[in-house]
Amino acid sequence: AQSVTQLDSQVPVFEEAPVELRCNYSSSVSVYLFWYVQYPNQGLQLLLKYLSGSTLVKGINGFEAEFNKSQTSFHLRKPSVHISDTAEYFCAVSLYSSASKIIFGSGTRLSIRP
Amino acid sequence: EAQVTQNPRYLITVTGKKLTVTCSQNMNHEYMSWYRQDPGLGLRQIYYSMNVEVTDKGDVPEGYKVSRKEKRNFPLILESPSPNQTSLYFCASSLWMKGLRTDTQYFGPGTRLTVL
Repeated sequence: AQSVTQLDSQVPVFEEAPVELRCNYSSSVSVYLFWYVQYPNQGLQLLLKYLSGSTLVKGINGFEAEFNKSQTSFHLRKPSVHISDTAEYFCAVSLYSSASKIIFGSGTRLSIRP
Repeated sequence: EAQVTQNPRYLITVTGKKLTVTCSQNMNHEYMSWYRQDPGLGLRQIYYSMNVEVTDKGDVPEGYKVSRKEKRNFPLILESPSPNQTSLYFCASSLWMKGLRTDTQYFGPGTRLTVL
């Protein structure tokens, strides 16, 4: 069965610093990968997704992620964060064979210090 | 405005009292899904539906029921709620969830349920 591990439950960074949120997945078959963001007291929004093609995926709000099949990773990056990026970020995976069933990671809380 | 709505937003109930949380989308989406969010566990999928009259279990379906009689609605039913179902529940919809045709999932605002 597939699983998703977000290695850091909390990541504090200073404003305008770069950030990387780590995500590793476990699956014996090919997968689709997603990053979602949840702002305080809101539902989730899709940041970006990898379905096929280029392994570097660009999303909204200046975020990007790179799919690394050999390391089974899909880390999220932003070169310069803003206070407004304070949120919880979730990595998610679904299988090629069963794309409707989605597994989420436990989340990483990103806190930005001025 | 394109949106997913859930009602109620907050609910406190007692063990064993049947309840329904409604979910409705106005985007003509085929796919709808229910999740629960618990601290340290992220979101876990309860049930999903590929289309009208087509539903399937997610990872944590025990204690829940769903139905999809109309395309826009996907209610979550707790026949006999228990305290371990206290959680934050999200409904989501997507035009497609079919491999390379996978589209963005749009989430509702959430329903915070407390079962005493």
